[in-house]
Amino acid sequence: KAGVTQTPRYLIKTRGQQVTLSCSPISGHRSVSWYQQTPGQGLQFLFEYFSETQRNKGNFPGRFSGRQFSNSRSEMNVSTLELGDSALYLCASSLNSGRPTDTQYFGPGTRLTVL
Amino acid sequence: DAKTTQPNSMESNEEEPVHLPCNHSTISGTDYIHWYRQLPSQGPEYVIHGLTSNVNNRMASLAIAEDRKSSTLILHRATLRDAAVYYCILREGSNYQLIWGAGTKLIIKP
Repeated sequence: KAGVTQTPRYLIKTRGQQVTLSCSPISGHRSVSWYQQTPGQGLQFLFEYFSETQRNKGNFPGRFSGRQFSNSRSEMNVSTLELGDSALYLCASSLNSGRPTDTQYFGPGTRLTVL
Repeated sequence: DAKTTQPNSMESNEEEPVHLPCNHSTISGTDYIHWYRQLPSQGPEYVIHGLTSNVNNRMASLAIAEDRKSSTLILHRATLRDAAVYYCILREGSNYQLIWGAGTKLIIKP
């Protein structure tokens, strides 16, 4: 099976712009989670989607949003970019959601740089 | 939220066993212990998970203390490819979110 793919791999934007990142989960996986990783804060949970519904949301401002399509592919959008949004954005897919034994499979991430 | 405590970094020699400790003194009875690792320039990778009993898989072993307040990830024979940041995570709460800590950076010396 193909792994989790994320596009684009690298992005450079300027403050105030918006950006959309895409994630294709492993075939058959219905849950997609998004994380932000920065050197200072580590891995922080953004949100999780399961069967096109947002199930969980982390503590991020409303500028961060996402959605999931019927084929389980997911997008996340960040509006009005700030310098502090520069980070590695990771997508993870899992077969199910809400189970303590769920294993998450991560993509390589999208490196976003905000100038 | 239950938290985990890990050493910031550890060094080990190639082809020797590595024991990576994790403290989770506030763990609750239904929290699963998960380990992931992140190799340089890659996304995290699942390693192993357990609840109460020790667990083995092809990558590693997980030893869980009887009181479940600590656990140890064991790499039986470390290679240079095992150099990574290892995260000990509790899968908790009604939604079983992964709460990530800072992890342990494992350095393998040839």
